[in-house]
Order: sequence, then C-alpha cells, then structure tokens
Amino acid sequence: VHLVESGGGLIQPGGSLRLSCAASGLSVSNNYMSWVRQAPGKGLEWVSVIFNNGNSHYADSVKGRFTIARDNSKNTVSLQMNSLRDDDTAVYFCARGTGLNFWGRGTLVIVS
Amino acid sequence: EIVLTQTPDLQSAAPKETVTITCRANQSAGNSLHWYQQKPGQSPTLLIKYASQPISGVPARFSGSGAGTDFTLTITRLEAEDSATYFCHQTKNLPWTFGQGTKVEIK
Repeated sequence: VHLVESGGGLIQPGGSLRLSCAASGLSVSNNYMSWVRQAPGKGLEWVSVIFNNGNSHYADSVKGRFTIARDNSKNTVSLQMNSLRDDDTAVYFCARGTGLNFWGRGTLVIVS
Repeated sequence: EIVLTQTPDLQSAAPKETVTITCRANQSAGNSLHWYQQKPGQSPTLLIKYASQPISGVPARFSGSGAGTDFTLTITRLEAEDSATYFCHQTKNLPWTFGQGTKVEIK
C-alpha cells in the first residue's frame, strides 16, 4: 500500500489550495480515508474523513472551508481548502482506516 | 468532542526500563483508542489499535490496555530506537481527535 500526497505549497491568507492523495495497493472507495495535519513542531490534528459509503466529516476548525472528495476512477482522495488562514500552515497527511494503519509522507502547506 | 489528555508530556528513561504513557478521555471512547509512534521527519506509524490489539510487525515490547476513559501504552525493555513521540487517537465519536503527544527520550 502506498499513499502519496501532492499539491502543497505557499499560499496567501484567504487563498485556496487543493491537495491530492494518490493511492496504490488499496481502493479508496472501499476504505475510510482521512486527512491529518501537523503544524510545525506541534502534534497531530485530525482534519477530515470520507467513509466508504461516501459520507464525510470535518474538524470544527475547518468545517465550511475544507471539502474532502474521492475519485474512484483515479483512486485518489482530495482536500479542497478555501479561505486559508495562517493557522492552516502544516504538513498534511493522507491516511487509511480507523486505526490509521497506512500514512503518506505528507505535503507541506504554508499560508503566509 | 472527546478530548484526550496524555501524561506525561515528556518521559526520560534508560534502555531496558519500562515506560508507561497514559491517555485519558473526557468521555468514554469505548475501545476505539489507537496509539501511534512518530519519529522526527517521519509519518506516524500505528502501534496498537482498539486499545490493545497488536499490529503486525510492531515489536512485542509495545502493548496497550484500557477501555472507556483510561488507556495505557506500555513499552517494556526500552530500546534506543524507541526515542519518538507517541500519540493516542480516538475514533469512537466524530470529530476524531488526538492526544497532544508524549515525547520519550532515552537516557
């Protein structure tokens, strides 16, 4: 199983960014797929999950600004991030499962 | 929201000693509590799932216990490679949440 995140970068406050997680060795449509972030020098913060039934949920800190989605044909999960704020600066990880047993290496988002 | 509080924030121990990390929830997390290890510059790795279920490939010196609001991660016979930060994580209720982390240093 491999998860590879992409799409991070430097963005101004108020801007938008779309992260992508490409999966191999598993089907995103059959799994719970999450985004977890980690601000520099800080702990882990759960951001969002999309369940195998398509339902999605968000942390209060991103609700209304971020949208998780999946593309079954491409076997990818995305995170559309709008109205970005300084405190959204973090490494964003894609992970699979409930006990999150597979993680990508992360992609860095800097809002400044 | 289930708030997870880990104690201690920092644990220093010598090789071969036993380390115990506690994760306390402000409401019941059932057994939907998982433990991760993260080394600097790396992604987290799953150590224990559902409070006490071992993960294939994880050394047997890592074990978990507890249910409800009180959980424990125990590392027996500490090794130098166990120097890392450890996080608990609950999936009982949405939003899922993490503990703040416990850094384990090797003396």
